Amino acid sequence: DAKTTQPNSMESNEEEPVHLPCNHSTISGTDYIHWYRQLPSQGPEYVIHGLTSNVNNRMASLAIAEDRKSSTLILHRATLRDAAVYYCILANSKLTFGKGITLSVRP
Amino acid sequence: DTGVSQNPRHKITKRGQNVTFRCDPISEHNRLYWYRQTLGQGPEFLTYFQNEAQLEKSRLLSDRFSAERPKGSFSTLEIQRTEQGDSAMYLCASSLPLGRRSGNTIYFGEGSWLTVV
Repeated sequence: DAKTTQPNSMESNEEEPVHLPCNHSTISGTDYIHWYRQLPSQGPEYVIHGLTSNVNNRMASLAIAEDRKSSTLILHRATLRDAAVYYCILANSKLTFGKGITLSVRP
Repeated sequence: DTGVSQNPRHKITKRGQNVTFRCDPISEHNRLYWYRQTLGQGPEFLTYFQNEAQLEKSRLLSDRFSAERPKGSFSTLEIQRTEQGDSAMYLCASSLPLGRRSGNTIYFGEGSWLTVV
């Protein structure tokens, strides 16, 4: 399975934008880029996904590099409830999780 | 609630005992996945089904682990002769087949916590 690389952690201030980076240099043409997040003691929750074009939904935006070797999850205005572990995943038949990035949000 | 349902949510068992977890997926989803997660780690893939067929099994799924989905609806994950290293959260998820034409979202349950003492 193609691998993703994320920083271990990131801090943000409440109501400020957050950019969570992900590198996936071995991505194949059929891999979708997925982001999930996980709050403590809960199952992972879908955030957003994309293939080639940038994507927006009510939760976040996903910016995908032109060569698809990296992507960035953008939370436009972080709230305290956004504090979680965020996983960047390359998906084909299943999701293969890494360790994710732990986002802390300061009030 | 029409989400993925897992039972029991918590299970404490003595080493050597057998345990079984049940997962009820979202009704129209034909794919069902099992993952295991330990503290500080991301979920690790165990196996997945499309309808009743088990399409892939991880090397993590030792002989003591067996998963079934007999009628293509609910699934069970059984762990025989439990060991302390089996203590983890077992996550079930369901989806339509991943791909451009179908849904691309996998929905997870809340997990079943296993503690082996």
